[in-house]
Amino acid sequence: SQQGEEDPQALSIQEGENATMNCSYKTSINNLQWYRQNSGRGLVHLILIRSNEREKHSGRLRVTLDTSKKSSSLLITASRAADTASYFCATDTEKLVFGKGTKLTVNP
Amino acid sequence: GAVVSQHPSRVICKSGTSVKIECRSLDFQATTMFWYRQFPKQSLMLMATSNEGSKATYEQGVEKDKFLINHASLTLSTLTVTSAHPEDSSFYICSARPTGTPYEQYFGPGTRLTVT
Repeated sequence: SQQGEEDPQALSIQEGENATMNCSYKTSINNLQWYRQNSGRGLVHLILIRSNEREKHSGRLRVTLDTSKKSSSLLITASRAADTASYFCATDTEKLVFGKGTKLTVNP
Repeated sequence: GAVVSQHPSRVICKSGTSVKIECRSLDFQATTMFWYRQFPKQSLMLMATSNEGSKATYEQGVEKDKFLINHASLTLSTLTVTSAHPEDSSFYICSARPTGTPYEQYFGPGTRLTVT
């Protein structure tokens, strides 16, 4: 069964606003990863956060991990129209298991 | 950076025929490769884990005789959809894990299969 469950399923914001996506999972993990997918394309790896880390930054991205609540969040600050895509969390034990994803639309 | 290619990017085939999809790691060796399937507006579902030189490990519910996986070299894995049916129409994505790394995976651009 799938590990990650993202919410919201869809998010529509204006350019310049921040976008927050959440992910919950069910079992212990080695790490949690966030990916981006443009419509009909492959996946782009955004960020990996290890199970012993609580927060990680990469450019406009900020990821948090709360292993006690089995949840993670991805924050995109100062969003741009080019950020429009689907975002997936994936938990990594021996293999990646993907959540259902959040479809983000950033309106210019 | 590490690049994974897939060929073909799109394929249309008739029901009952077989289709082979290639996944190549272009600038690194990958002992392990993964095959995923993605239906429209849904997430990626892991189909199987492919290990070079040994049999693939299939996820529950995935028919190994229908989805044949061969990982004959450290840079190439193939997925053959045998006797394809319209319900096999999907987006197939592979990923490759560089040999010696426990967590990294690099994804291919995907193959859109349409069975008519």
